[in-house]
Amino acid sequence: DAGVIQSPRHEVTEMGQEVTLRCKPISGHNSLFWYRQTMMRGLELLIYFNNNVPIDDSGMPEDRFSAKMPNASFSTLKIQPSEPRDSAVYFCASSLVAATNEKLFFGSGTQLSVL
Amino acid sequence: SQQGEEDPQALSIQEGENATMNCSYKTSINNLQWYRQNSGRGLVHLILIRSNEREKHSGRLRVTLDTSKKSSSLLITASRAADTASYFCATTPSGGYQKVTFGTGTKLQVIP
Repeated sequence: DAGVIQSPRHEVTEMGQEVTLRCKPISGHNSLFWYRQTMMRGLELLIYFNNNVPIDDSGMPEDRFSAKMPNASFSTLKIQPSEPRDSAVYFCASSLVAATNEKLFFGSGTQLSVL
Repeated sequence: SQQGEEDPQALSIQEGENATMNCSYKTSINNLQWYRQNSGRGLVHLILIRSNEREKHSGRLRVTLDTSKKSSSLLITASRAADTASYFCATTPSGGYQKVTFGTGTKLQVIP
């Protein structure tokens, strides 16, 4: 089992550029989560999907952020235009929502630096 | 927004001692989970306790849940240097959706 795969591992970009983060969940999982982690704000839930449908995007900071899940094996988080305050580690996690197993499996994260 | 708040924020103990971390949350939950994060890595699930359970064990881990006080504790017994990490509680609210939100975390250092 390959686990949750995120790319890129590191991203350095300049303010105003578009940034796309990618996530491949574990095969068979039906929920996918995007989190952002910073020292100041901790782990924030940005958005989560169930069966490819966005269920709650109330954590998305502003319209510059968008997320898609076109199929069960791929999701993207896009920031356009990026700003220095978007610098953080972005994690993707997936889970299989079943009667007894609701734990999340996390990817290794994308370290984003916006200069 | 964050649901849980951990206490203490940081904890430093000697190898072999027990470590206790506490988590308080705000709303009714379906379950509560504990995760570990090593520096620069993703989070790893440790244990899940459901709202109708009061205590759960897994190896050297013991978790308690008090829904009347909206609090949980994680006890790591006989700590090892490899337990050095940040520990987070995460809650799933009651009501059907799996909106898992994390607490602020406790940074544990185990000194060999």
